[in-house]
Amino acid sequence: NAGVMQNPRHLVRRRGQEARLRCSPMKGHSHVYWYRQLPEEGLKFMVYLQKENIIDESGMPKERFSAEFPKEGPSILRIQQVVRGDSAAYFCASSPQGKTEAFFGQGTRLTVV
Amino acid sequence: GENVGLHLPTLSVQEGDNSIINCAYSNSASDYFIWYKQESGKGPQFIIDIRSNMDKRQGQRVTVLLNKTVKHLSLQIAATQPGDSAVYFCAETYNNNDMRFGAGTRLTVKP
Repeated sequence: NAGVMQNPRHLVRRRGQEARLRCSPMKGHSHVYWYRQLPEEGLKFMVYLQKENIIDESGMPKERFSAEFPKEGPSILRIQQVVRGDSAAYFCASSPQGKTEAFFGQGTRLTVV
Repeated sequence: GENVGLHLPTLSVQEGDNSIINCAYSNSASDYFIWYKQESGKGPQFIIDIRSNMDKRQGQRVTVLLNKTVKHLSLQIAATQPGDSAVYFCAETYNNNDMRFGAGTRLTVKP
């Protein structure tokens, strides 16, 4: 059973471009969490999804950011019109249900130039 | 709430000593807690969890203590090894299954 897979591992975008970050949860996991992390800082909650539903997006900026977790395929975190301040590591985690061990991927490091 | 935007507090211990890492959580309704270890350049790795109906849980070389009265968690690592050097985060889970993280502590083990 493969772990949580995130791709790409590194992503470079110019200001104004779109960034699409993918997260394939572990097999059988229907809960996905996305977090943002700056160097030497903590993990900031962004969004929590279950299959086809956004449960809590209170950590997502109101504009330019969106997330989905379709019935088939990976969860996608989409950042439109990226700015330098979006540069960070983005981690996703998955769990089979709430309040159980959540497993993390290796993250996508986004650099906006 | 979440403690982000602050530089990580650090804890330095001698190899072989015991380490105690502390965490204050924010929501008195949280009922499930996890400790994660994060090494440089990697994703967080599960260490141990505890539910609110317990006040202590032991794993291999690690013990988690939960004090609900003061909303405090601690992670004790016995006989700390150089491989334990990492950043440690606690996470709390709310009623709707959200998982939120504390600020983290950087543990450095001196040989």
